[in-house]
Parts: sequence; C-alpha cells; structure tokens
Amino acid sequence: TQLLKQSPQFLSIQEGENLTVYCNSSSVFSSLQWYRQEPGEGPVLLVTVVTGGEVKKLKRLTFQFGDARKDSSLHITAAQPGDTGLYLCAGGSSGNTGKLIFGQGTTLQVKP
Amino acid sequence: DTAVSQTPKYLVTQMGNDKSIKCEQNLGHDTMYWYKQDSKKFLKIMFSYNNKELIINETVPNRFSPKSPDKAHLNLHINSLELGDSAVYFCASSPWGQSAGGYTFGSGTRLTVV
Repeated sequence: TQLLKQSPQFLSIQEGENLTVYCNSSSVFSSLQWYRQEPGEGPVLLVTVVTGGEVKKLKRLTFQFGDARKDSSLHITAAQPGDTGLYLCAGGSSGNTGKLIFGQGTTLQVKP
Repeated sequence: DTAVSQTPKYLVTQMGNDKSIKCEQNLGHDTMYWYKQDSKKFLKIMFSYNNKELIINETVPNRFSPKSPDKAHLNLHINSLELGDSAVYFCASSPWGQSAGGYTFGSGTRLTVV
C-alpha cells in the first residue's frame, strides 16, 4: 500500500517567517503534486513535479521532488497571512488509472 | 462558469435514509472521481470512472453506488446512511490516466448524518 506522510501536521508562524513542509514515503511515485485547500472549498492544484530532483518555483513557494521520487518538500519564503490554509501533497500511483494518494495535510496559520 | 460543480453543498439527513450527490464537469475531461475527506482532513479515493466505465472501486461499502450517465457527469447514491458516513465528499476530474496533470476538484458536499 502506498502511503504519504506529511510533517508537520500543524504550523503556526508569524508573517515574514520561512517554513518547510515535508512529504515522505517508502514508495516511488510517478508524480508528486501539491494542493492548497481553503475552508469550505476543494483543493486547488499548486504544482506538479515529475522528475527526480526537480525543483519548481511559484513566487515565494519552492517545491522539490526527491531524487528517488519518494519524497517532496514545499518551502515558503516570507510567509504572508494569505498563505494560511491546508496544504496537501499527493502522489500519482503506478498504472494509468489517474489515482492520487494524498498525505494527511499540513494546516498552516500565518499570523499578521 | 464553474469547472466542476457539485450539488448539494450541504446535506443533513437521518440515519437510514437514502441520498444522492450530483457532480458535473465542463472541462472535457475523461476521468471523474469521488473522494471522501474525513474529520481529520484526510482525502481517500472511493471511485473513479473513465468515460462512463468504472475504473477504481476502493473497498467502499456497497451502500455506495456511483453512476456515470456520460463522461461529464458522475453521481453518488448512498443507501441506508450511517453516522460514520458523515464527511465531506469531493468530486474531481482529470484527463484520462494523467494524474500528473492534476485534478480539478468541486467545492465539496458536507454530509451530516444524525
């Protein structure tokens, strides 16, 4: 069974601080995605990484896929209150089913 | 124009009742999914359909029956509702077999069984 463990589960920081969220597994994934979910809404895709060692940047967010394609990290620089939300990593399972395995999420609160 | 729309947004019902949730996507995607998000925010796949054909059925009680009349619609019918069915149910869609392209999610249906 493929599982993804996210850490930390909860994070409360002040505006302007940096943070990193980790997503780890013992399984290899064909791709790794990060989503952000706000209360009362569905998750929204932030980024997809598909190549081992790949790094992608989205403004103040930096995403990295591990060399062995088993783990990923999300780094936010100079966090802002607008970054508050639930961050979910999701791994693409093998085969052509389109199935995603989700981590349990990291709830981020950025205080002004 | 909402890409993936679910109805209803909220559903409160008594144990033992039967209820349905509807989902429609206008993205032209081939694959649609039902995911359940529990009280700890964990998202778990229930079903997926590709162009009206059932592809994934993940050990879900047979009280849950999905139906896809066409590739733009995926409905979920639940019989004999139980307290443990309370959760947020999300519909999502993607191009066929391309999880790498990401899902587009609906805004969810919060089901409360009392």
